[in-house]
Amino acid sequence: AQSVTQPDIHITVSEGASLELRCNYSYGATPYLFWYVQSPGQGLQLLLKYFSGDTLVQGIKGFEAEFKRSQSSFNLRKPSVHWSDAAEYFCAVGADRDDKIIFGKGTRLHILP
Amino acid sequence: DAGVIQSPRHEVTEMGQEVTLRCKPISGHDYLFWYRQTMMRGLELLIYFNNNVPIDDSGMPEDRFSAKMPNASFSTLKIQPSEPRDSAVYFCASSFPPYHRTGGAGTEAFFGQGTRLTVV
Repeated sequence: AQSVTQPDIHITVSEGASLELRCNYSYGATPYLFWYVQSPGQGLQLLLKYFSGDTLVQGIKGFEAEFKRSQSSFNLRKPSVHWSDAAEYFCAVGADRDDKIIFGKGTRLHILP
Repeated sequence: DAGVIQSPRHEVTEMGQEVTLRCKPISGHDYLFWYRQTMMRGLELLIYFNNNVPIDDSGMPEDRFSAKMPNASFSTLKIQPSEPRDSAVYFCASSFPPYHRTGGAGTEAFFGQGTRLTVV
């Protein structure tokens, strides 16, 4: 079965600084990967997704993520964060052996003014 | 489309009572997922349906939990009897068939706003 690890529970960065959120997955075959964002009291919104092809994917709100098969990683990046990026971010993995989408436990992003 | 619609948004109930959470998926989506979110365990997949049929309920915590999808536009998650440890935010999500079933046109899951359940 597939699984997802987000090693950082909380991350704090200054406004304007760059951001990288880590995600590692475990799955024996080709996964498909997602990053979602959750603002307080809200549902989850998709930031970006990877199914195949170019391993660097662009998403909404200036986010991007890179799929690295050799490292089983799908890290999320943003060159310059804004105060409105403060939220919880979830990495998720789907598998071609079943139809489940499994989520990591999330990383809460705090932005310093 | 209005997106995935969940009701109620908030539910407070006493231990032992029956609780029913409702979900209306996006029209045309074949898949429906129920997740539970807690601080300790994050987002857990409870059960998912394909074309109204439950496919995998291995995440349902115990027999007190049950889920149904009587038609393509409605699903319920029922807890009977409820316990304080069931307090969580419950999310419903829907999607088209995943990537590996569509030959390359797969999509993501779209989430509702969630139901915050408090059992006292």
